[in-house]
Amino acid sequence: EVQLVESGGGLVQPGGSLRLSCAASGFIFSSYSMNWVRQAPGKGLEWVSYISSSSFTIYYADSVKGRFTISRDNAKNSVYLQMNSLRDEDTAVYYCASLFSGWYSEYWGQGTLVTVSS
Amino acid sequence: SYVLTQPPSVSVAPGQTARITCGGNNIGTKSVHWYQQKPGQAPVLVVYDDSDRPSGIPERVSGSNSANTATLTISRVEAGDEADYYCQVWDSSSDHVVFGGGTKLTVL
Repeated sequence: EVQLVESGGGLVQPGGSLRLSCAASGFIFSSYSMNWVRQAPGKGLEWVSYISSSSFTIYYADSVKGRFTISRDNAKNSVYLQMNSLRDEDTAVYYCASLFSGWYSEYWGQGTLVTVSS
Repeated sequence: SYVLTQPPSVSVAPGQTARITCGGNNIGTKSVHWYQQKPGQAPVLVVYDDSDRPSGIPERVSGSNSANTATLTISRVEAGDEADYYCQVWDSSSDHVVFGGGTKLTVL
């Protein structure tokens, strides 16, 4: 059974940093790309970042480029999102999601809430 | 950047057919994927590559894509179909994943 479990969310002040983790199980993690997607309270889905299986290819949404860094550790079956210079508008539930066969996400974690507030 | 436009809401009576559209410039040339999201839950993939269904998704859920509009069709709508639905594409011009704004399906 495929499982994705996010952690690391919490309350942080504007300008602060936070590192999210996503632990994967039930599939050969090192073979597949991963996404981070977020959802602000009461709003729609917003793609944040993509990383290929080997970490060779990485993409970011314009809204986070230069502030967020995606990475992965295939030995630990985990993908990470380092978030710096956080803003109020970064407040959201952050989901990690797998990409097995194409540019769509078959499996999603349950999400972790990040709240940026003073 | 590429924009996907969805109606904010669609309402349908039980047993009827719901059609949720997703508009985009020449979207017919892209692969469109659809997700269902119920309150407090993570999104669930319901259609990928325009019209394919993951295992476990009923046949009454279908998708199509042509010209400037992709459509998610849910036949014989049930109360359990009430949810938010999002379309999504990969925009190779910008190297971005793009989501539509979402459509709230209400079952009357």
